[in-house]
Parts: sequence; structure tokens; C-alpha cells
Amino acid sequence: DARVTQTPRHKVTEMGQEVTMRCQPILGHNTVFWYRQTMMQGLELLAYFRNRAPLDDSGMPKDRFSAEMPDATLATLKIQPSEPRDSAVYFCASLTGATSHEQYFGPGTRLTVT
Amino acid sequence: QKEVEQNSGPLSVPEGAIASLNCTYSDRVSQSFFWYRQYSGKSPELIMSIYSNGDKEDGRFTAQLNKASQYVSLLIRDSQPSDSATYLCAVTGTYKYIFGTGTRLKVLA
Repeated sequence: DARVTQTPRHKVTEMGQEVTMRCQPILGHNTVFWYRQTMMQGLELLAYFRNRAPLDDSGMPKDRFSAEMPDATLATLKIQPSEPRDSAVYFCASLTGATSHEQYFGPGTRLTVT
Repeated sequence: QKEVEQNSGPLSVPEGAIASLNCTYSDRVSQSFFWYRQYSGKSPELIMSIYSNGDKEDGRFTAQLNKASQYVSLLIRDSQPSDSATYLCAVTGTYKYIFGTGTRLKVLA
């Protein structure tokens, strides 16, 4: 069945290291979102793309975070350098954009920065 | 004022009762409204969407929307212990979703 996939599912890294998270949206979905979820802040929108073009990345710390869609089947979120405060669950979600505004989430990447 | 507000709970209801979850939003131009269920350690799962005023029913779930009062609610009939989760309200005007912080529901067996 169609679903959003994310890799890795878990990542533990040391402060200062680069972290790359990947997302494969549902085939045919043209809008992709990156969210971060923490207990304190809840679900925060970091960035989103439509037809691979970035529409809004105002939620991302620009100095260390970057998001791209190299092709329609892959979205990436990179953190360089990582900091302990980046520890969170990062979700990718996608929607068709054509007939529906219903977003579907991937399983998430749980990031721990020590 | 937060853009989407929900009572964090926990809301505790006995098994078989109706659980009522509420959400208010601040942006009057919001057009689409969604309820997501999130089990602990899992990703949000879409359970209901509603776009026009009134009620929308799907099985044991009913979403209610009142744009004039800027609130959307979710009723869960015949609540089951498996309904115990955090319920997130989401609102969007275009493609930018705003999520509430969620209401934790506990259904007591």
C-alpha cells in the first residue's frame, strides 16, 4: 500500500556531526513537508515543497538546516553541525495537492544528539 | 494567542462513553480542518477532514465545524481503550498546516 517512507528511523550522533534524513513521498504526491516534534513545542513545520520547489522554509534555522528535493521521489533534510537541542522526532509528510489537502505522515526519524 | 488551541488534557472517559475533543483557531480565512490521532511513539494518522460548516460522520467519529465561532470538534462515540492517544487538530488556508499541541485522551476500561 502507498505510504511515506523515511530513513533512518533512529539516529544517534555527537554534537557537531552532520545528519541527513531522507524521505520518499507517496508516488504522485506533489507537496512534501518536513516537521519536527518535541514534547515542549509540539509539531513544528520546518519547510515544504511543491513540485520540488521550496515554498516555505521559514521554520528552519537557516544557519544549520537545509532541505532539498533532488527529484520527485526524494526529499532530504540536513543538519550541519548538529546540536543537542536538535534532538527530536522529524516527520516527513506528503499530499497530492491536486484534489486533496489531506496530509500523510511517514514514520519519523528519531534524532538524538549527544 | 496560539493560532490553533487545544486543551492538553488528559481527557479521561469511561469505555463506551462519548469523548468530545475541541479545537479553536485564530485565522478566519482557514478553509480546511483535520483531526489526526497519534499513538505514543508513532506518527500522526489522519482520521477526519472537514471543509464546510456542520457535521461529518465516519463510523464512530463525528467532526463538527463552526467557522463563525472558529472552532472544530471531534466526537468519538462508544469510546474504546484503543482510542487512547493524543488527538491533533490541524488547520490550513493554503498548504501551510498549523497544528495544535494535541489533547491526550484516556479511555478507561
